[in-house]
Amino acid sequence: DSGVTQTPKHLITATGQRVTLRCSPRSGDLSVYWYQQSLDQGLQFLIQYYNGEERAKGNILERFSAQQFPDLHSELNLSSLELGDSALYFCASSQGTGSYNEQFFGPGTRLTVL
Amino acid sequence: GIQVEQSPPDLILQEGANSTLRCNFSDSVNNLQWFHQNPWGQLINLFYIPSGTKQNGRLSATTVATERYSLLYISSSQTTDSGVYFCAVPSNDYKLSFGAGTTVTVRA
Repeated sequence: DSGVTQTPKHLITATGQRVTLRCSPRSGDLSVYWYQQSLDQGLQFLIQYYNGEERAKGNILERFSAQQFPDLHSELNLSSLELGDSALYFCASSQGTGSYNEQFFGPGTRLTVL
Repeated sequence: GIQVEQSPPDLILQEGANSTLRCNFSDSVNNLQWFHQNPWGQLINLFYIPSGTKQNGRLSATTVATERYSLLYISSSQTTDSGVYFCAVPSNDYKLSFGAGTTVTVRA
């Protein structure tokens, strides 16, 4: 158990819908990262937050948004869902920001868009 | 961005066998992580190893940063070792860039 929690574990929804994925980082970690794992793209970085502030953006679609709250948990919002958004979404956390920090991954949320 | 290549892409082992997985990266790094993704999809941290050698039970890893590669050794493999092994290095000082993974199947 990495100490990173994610809910829900599974999510099945329809095209056009909106969903929210939730992540709680390890105790003491200030950075939260979101990654998407799809069959054709592998593991791709989406976005990073550090202590409530957006720090870096990767290949995140405009239909997707995220935030980190004062208690440091983070939510990833996916809207106008398409079939291609079906994937495993991981949250990771680290103590600080910067490349020296070890990232610990949560169990993931498996999203299926029908 | 930094390129990460893993080999071999697939590995089939008989229980009890030893194996070596390789990770090459295209630029100097100050961090390298190895993960195991089990059949249920969970990504499990194995090693944080920017350089040198570490051991954890039947697994060990070595990173030679100056030559831009890392090796993961699995000894006396068990069926529970099956899954996909990823190496990842930092890119742009914040995100991890992952290799395509090595799929390991251990047969009883």
